[in-house]
Amino acid sequence: NAGVTQTPKFQVLKTGQSMTLQCAQDMNHNSMYWYRQDPGMGLRLIYYSASEGTTDKGEVPNGYNVSRLNKREFSLRLESAAPSQTSVYFCASRPWGDGYEQYFGPGTRLTVT
Amino acid sequence: AQSVAQPEDQVNVAEGNPLTVKCTYSVSGNPYLFWYVQYPNRGLQFLLKYITGDNLVKGSYGFEAEFNKSQTSFHLKKPSALVSDSALYFCARRGGGNKLTFGTGTQLKVEL
Repeated sequence: NAGVTQTPKFQVLKTGQSMTLQCAQDMNHNSMYWYRQDPGMGLRLIYYSASEGTTDKGEVPNGYNVSRLNKREFSLRLESAAPSQTSVYFCASRPWGDGYEQYFGPGTRLTVT
Repeated sequence: AQSVAQPEDQVNVAEGNPLTVKCTYSVSGNPYLFWYVQYPNRGLQFLLKYITGDNLVKGSYGFEAEFNKSQTSFHLKKPSALVSDSALYFCARRGGGNKLTFGTGTQLKVEL
């Protein structure tokens, strides 16, 4: 099993450009999450999908959109990138049910100039 | 709002000595608590969790954590630190929808 995979690993955007971060998991997990990690702030939840067909906002959703394409894939879109969105983005997934931990992907390092 | 706090940005310890990384949580219901570790330029790896039951939880790589309800703490411990334990450690708490709220992280540095 590859676990949780993310593409791309690195990306540089100019202000105003758009892009989509891809995430896929092969563990048959129901729930998927997108976080951003900034120095001194831990990880903050952007959006999540409790199950296929549903998405909900997290703590910092402004400037982002998501699509739960199917059970395996959960993408994060930046429509008009801003320097404040420079961050490391992590995707995670977990099985349905109580008490399970989340499994994280390797991350995408995004720089917006 | 449910939250966790990691009061130390950095912890330094000599190899072979015991280590403790602190975490406290806000009082609200029965907390599900997690510890994750992040090595440089990597994703987060799960170490251990407390859901219910025994207050002393054992996890990966020789780590353990003690759930203390009276002190609202869930400190991560290891009896004998290794240089390879040097990493960024995160405490997290489950919230509604099984979302996780993370602490700000503690950088552990183990020196020879």
